[in-house]
Amino acid sequence: GAGVSQSPSNKVTEKGKDVELRCDPISGHTALYWYRQSLGQGLEFLIYFQGNSAPDKSGLPSDRFSAERTGGSVSTLTIQRTQQEDSAVYLCASSLARPELPLHFGNGTRLTVT
Amino acid sequence: AQKVTQAQTEISVVEKEDVTLDCVYETRDTTYYLFWYKQPPSGELVFLIRRNSFDEQNEISGRYSWNFQKSTSSFNFTITASQVVDSAVYFCALCSDTGRRALTFGSGTRLQVQP
Repeated sequence: GAGVSQSPSNKVTEKGKDVELRCDPISGHTALYWYRQSLGQGLEFLIYFQGNSAPDKSGLPSDRFSAERTGGSVSTLTIQRTQQEDSAVYLCASSLARPELPLHFGNGTRLTVT
Repeated sequence: AQKVTQAQTEISVVEKEDVTLDCVYETRDTTYYLFWYKQPPSGELVFLIRRNSFDEQNEISGRYSWNFQKSTSSFNFTITASQVVDSAVYFCALCSDTGRRALTFGSGTRLQVQP
C-alpha cells in the first residue's frame, strides 16, 4: 500500500511481558518517528530515525523502551517488562526528512497491558 | 525547548456555527514550521496545513482558515459554518529547522459539532 503500515493494530499483553510493534514506512521516506498517545492525551514523542544518523532517543520514557530500524526501512519498537502505564496507542510516522514537510501517520497500534 | 499550548480541551458547537481553535507556541529558533493535524474518530492523523515562520500570510481553504501571528506566537484555526464531519481532535504542532526535527504537538482540542 501507499501509506504507513503498522502491525498489529491491537495488542493485549500481560504485565511483565515484552512486546514488539512494527512500522513499515512509506517507500522512500528517510525519516521515521514513533509517538505515543495515551487515552485522551496529546502525542508524546518517543524516537526519531533519519537515514544513517544516530537516532534521537530523547523521548523514550525508560530503558524498557527501545527501537531499531533495519535497512533504513522497517522499524520495530520494543517494550520490555510491560507495565499498565504503557497502555496507549503507539503511532508511527514517516516523512522525507525535511522539517517543512508533513508527517504521514499510520493507524497506530493500540496496546493494552492487563 | 519547544512548546505548543492548546488551552481549549473541548469545544462543542451547533452545526453552521463558526469556531476558532487556539494554538500558542514557544521556540527559540528563528526558522520553524507550524502544522495543524486532524484526528477523526477513526484515529488516523491527517495533515491539514503548514506555515513557515517567515511567511505570516494567512490562508483560507474552503471553510478552513488559519491566522498566523508571530507577534503573539499564535497560529489559530477557524472553521466557518461547521459541519458534523468536522467533529474530531485537532492538533497544532511545531517543528524547528535546527535541533530536534521531530514535531512537538499540543495536547489537542476535541471539537464536537452537534447537528
